[in-house]
Amino acid sequence: VQLVESGGGLVQPGGSLRLSCAASGFTLSSYWMHWVRQAPGKGLEWVSRVSLDGRDATYADSVKGRFTISRDNAKNTLYLQMNSLRAEDTAVYYCASRPPGWYAFDVWGQGTMVTVSS
Amino acid sequence: QTVVTQEPSFSVSPGGTVTLTCGLSSGSVSTTYYPSWYRQTPGQAPRTLIYNTNTRSSGVPDRFSGSILGNRAALTITGAQADDESDYYCALYVGGGISVFGGGTKLTVL
Repeated sequence: VQLVESGGGLVQPGGSLRLSCAASGFTLSSYWMHWVRQAPGKGLEWVSRVSLDGRDATYADSVKGRFTISRDNAKNTLYLQMNSLRAEDTAVYYCASRPPGWYAFDVWGQGTMVTVSS
Repeated sequence: QTVVTQEPSFSVSPGGTVTLTCGLSSGSVSTTYYPSWYRQTPGQAPRTLIYNTNTRSSGVPDRFSGSILGNRAALTITGAQADDESDYYCALYVGGGISVFGGGTKLTVL
């Protein structure tokens, strides 16, 4: 059972990146999925979540209007489209699953680093 | 805006017991916030310890326990070991699928 993120890298301010989170060993469609980030030397910050069928999404105020979470249950993969990136978006981005009946995160990915800098 | 507070740092002796807490800048933490706890060592992803106040995640030893103490959530570690030295984060569920993390507690075992 694991989640593996990819797609991070160096991007200029104002640029875009798309992160992916591939699930293995379990069926993604049974879990609410989230993105959580951690700026260098800082604590954890919840970013976004998406419902089981992908129709309902919620965002932190800090990314609302710039980031879009989505999922492809057929591919067992979660995504985060990040537009209009800012220096303060620099962080390790983790995907995490939330099982039914939990109000917490269960499985975490290893994280992917996003650096926004000119 | 919900602000979750944690002790910035704490220390415990090997074999000792320590209780880390998680509060709100305004108001009390109750089970309706479904407090959860995570451990993170440098360079690693977080690991879930406790969810829904006091339920241990799979594989978490019973040295770790969660509770509500007064108006705060609490994580108690008994029989502290050297490899318990980590950052510990709590999170509170505030509805709408949103969880808010505390700033984390750096636990030193010495």
